[in-house]
Amino acid sequence: DSGVTQTPKHLITATGQRVTLRCSPRSGDLSVYWYQQSLDQGLQFLIQYYNGEERAKGNILERFSAQQFPDLHSELNLSSLELGDSALYFCASTPRDRGAAFNYGYTFGSGTRLTVV
Amino acid sequence: GQQLNQSPQSMFIQEGEDVSMNCTSSSIFNTWLWYKQDPGEGPVLLIALYKAGELTSNGRLTAQFGITRKDSFLNISASIPSDVGIYFCAGLNYGGSQGNLIFGKGTKLSVKP
Repeated sequence: DSGVTQTPKHLITATGQRVTLRCSPRSGDLSVYWYQQSLDQGLQFLIQYYNGEERAKGNILERFSAQQFPDLHSELNLSSLELGDSALYFCASTPRDRGAAFNYGYTFGSGTRLTVV
Repeated sequence: GQQLNQSPQSMFIQEGEDVSMNCTSSSIFNTWLWYKQDPGEGPVLLIALYKAGELTSNGRLTAQFGITRKDSFLNISASIPSDVGIYFCAGLNYGGSQGNLIFGKGTKLSVKP
């Protein structure tokens, strides 16, 4: 158990729908990162939050959004889902912001497998 | 944006053999990380490299941070069946709009007993 908790583990939904993925970072970690892993694209960075504030954005679609709450858990919202959104979604956490993450690496959760049908 | 080229894409080897995989980039990174991902799980950190030229071991794993800071390799000696999985290299930098950690596409390792 890495200490990073992601729910649900699996999600099957129809095109056009909206889903919310949840992530609880490791105890004490303030920074949360979301990654998308699809078969041919590897792990793609989506977005980072640090202590409730958005810190960095990657190739995140406009249909996707995220937030980090005061208790530091984060949610990734995916709307108007398309077949191509089917993927594994991972969140990772680090104790601090980008500079100090240098010494820690990222701790990943087990992911949410999203299947859009 | 920054991209990492990881090779080979897949390897199928006999138990007991040594394994070598590498990662190259057109950009410089401050840190190189190697992760392993088992089926149904998230990536787990194996080795972190912080200085150009650094050579670090973790059991049967050895990794090096290239002198140019644009490449890294991972070696696994005397492979065993539990080494099976996908190995990812990742480069870490500060700043930029693509986030801190950039991943290669992975090397899928299969080990034949």
